[in-house]
Amino acid sequence: NAGVTQTPKFQVLKTGQSMTLQCAQDMNHEYMSWYRQDPGMGLRLIHYSVGAGITDQGEVPNGYNVSRSTTEDFPLRLLSAAPSQTSVYFCASSPRQSHTEAFFGQGTRLTVV
Amino acid sequence: GNSVTQMEGPVTLSEEAFLTINCTYTATGYPSLFWYVQYPGEGLQLLLKATKADDKGSNKGFEATYRKETTSFHLEKGSVQVSDSAVYFCALSDPWYTGGFKTIFGAGTRLFVKA
Repeated sequence: NAGVTQTPKFQVLKTGQSMTLQCAQDMNHEYMSWYRQDPGMGLRLIHYSVGAGITDQGEVPNGYNVSRSTTEDFPLRLLSAAPSQTSVYFCASSPRQSHTEAFFGQGTRLTVV
Repeated sequence: GNSVTQMEGPVTLSEEAFLTINCTYTATGYPSLFWYVQYPGEGLQLLLKATKADDKGSNKGFEATYRKETTSFHLEKGSVQVSDSAVYFCALSDPWYTGGFKTIFGAGTRLFVKA
């Protein structure tokens, strides 16, 4: 049971570099989202998608892009990495039905130097 | 807007002690309420949930009751174990908000249990 798979698990970037965090789910969930986790701040929503071809911004979208070309994949792109983007990133998915929980990946620890 | 407030940690307890982690929420509509647990180096996983007022969620000896009158969803366990050491997140989800869903998380409470 793969569930939600994130790659890579760890990444170090230099300021200004770009990269893509990958997220894939095999549960045929319609909803997918990206969060960042910072000490003392819980999880903050970056972007989310309610289905293939549909994305929307969360509470901290600046500096990140997403796309949803398939139900399975929801990559997060950092256009020009900044030290403020050092964080742990989590991808989550959920079925469309109401009152259901989110399923999380293992996380990507990103350090921008 | 919707928000979740939970007690700050860390919380340090001895094995077999009683645990309470407070959680209150602000929401429009009728959200579902969740407790997630994060063990070191792992993602979040659902611990328990409640979908309507007065529902009690329970799992692995943990319980929480959805109290609409006090807008609370406190997590309790009668006797904690060392293996319960983790970070606990209270969360709410308003499924039909703007046609999609958003899960709002509290800041998390770290629990240390000593043998």
